[in-house]
Parts: sequence; structure tokens; C-alpha cells
Amino acid sequence: KQEVTQIPAALSVPEGENLVLNCSFTDSAIYNLQWFRQDPGKGLTSLLLIQSSQREQTSGRLNASLDKSSGRSTLYIAASQPGDSATYLCAVNGDYKLSFGAGTTVTVRA
Amino acid sequence: DAGVTQSPTHLIKTRGQQVTLRCSPKSGHDTVSWYQQALGQGPQFIFQYYEEEERQRGNFPDRFSGHQFPNYSSELNVNALLLGDSALYLCASSSPSVTITDTQYFGPGTRLTVL
Repeated sequence: KQEVTQIPAALSVPEGENLVLNCSFTDSAIYNLQWFRQDPGKGLTSLLLIQSSQREQTSGRLNASLDKSSGRSTLYIAASQPGDSATYLCAVNGDYKLSFGAGTTVTVRA
Repeated sequence: DAGVTQSPTHLIKTRGQQVTLRCSPKSGHDTVSWYQQALGQGPQFIFQYYEEEERQRGNFPDRFSGHQFPNYSSELNVNALLLGDSALYLCASSSPSVTITDTQYFGPGTRLTVL
């Protein structure tokens, strides 16, 4: 059974600081890994998708890396802004279903 | 292009009742998955429907059942509601009939409260 862990559970940083969010998974037999953003009480917004054959993916201020062999992914958010405050979830795709971590709740202080 | 839509937005039920939640997938998608997200937790996979059949199921009791219609929309039914069924129910659509590496797109969710 795939187990996904996200560390830290919560993070508070001043505006402008870079964010580093970690995700680890136990079964390396995955098709891809997705990072999502979730605002309180809302659905999930996909941020980045990394295929199992890729090492990293970038979109604007966001960069995600994937080391499948060690079961790790890291999401970097550069120059954080108060609007980046949300919960960030990673999910691994194995056999058509997503297995999620519990998320990292980020607060960016103005 | 409409994304994934879900109805209703919120729902309040009492223990023992039955509930039906609905989902319309993103245009062009033929696969619908349902997830349950308890407060403070990550979403948990309930089941997935493809070609009107349940293709995969997570670790949920038979009280949770579903259906997919010919237009690819889907329903999630929960019988004999328990307090522990209170959660945000998320629907995701994708098109793995094309490729398994497709992104899954999520709807806004239905917040179910069981009293």
C-alpha cells in the first residue's frame, strides 16, 4: 500500500522568503506525481505534474523535483507572497488512483 | 470549457439517512473518481468509474456505491450515514482511456455534514 508523507505539516514565513515543501512516498512504482493547492473548504487546483521519467517541472515561481528511486519530491516556491497562503498536497499516481499526503499548510505573513 | 462540476455544494443529513452526490466531468473526459477528505486530512480514494463500470475501489464499505451514466457523469451514494461520513467529497475526472499519465482535474467538492 502506497504511503505518502508531507513534512512539515505547517509552515509560516515572511513575505519574500522562498518555500520548500517536502513529500515522500513508499512505493516507487508510480506513473507520475502531482502537486495541488487547496484553499480552505475548496477543491483542489493542480499546480504541477511530473511524469515518472522526469526529474523536475517548472511553472512560473514554482519548481518541483522528483527522485523516484528514493521516493521523494520537493516543491519550491520562490519569493513567496501572502496569496500563496494555502494547503499544498502532493499525490502519487499508481494504477489510475491518486494517493495523497495530508498536506502542508503554508502561511505567508505580509 | 466547463471544468468538473459537483452538486450540491453543501448538504446536511442525520445519521441513518441516505445521500446522493453528483458530478459532471470535464469536457472530453470519460473517467470519474471519487475521494473523501476528512478535516485536516488528505483525500482518500473511494472508487473510480470508467465505461459505466466500477474499475477500482478503495478501502470503503459497501455503504458507498456509485454509478456512471452514458454521458460520463457520475453519482456517489452513501447509505446508513454515520457521523464519521462527514467530510468534503471530491470528484475528479481524467481520460486514462487515452493515457494513464493525464492530469486529474478536481471539482469544488460537496461538503457533507452528518448530525
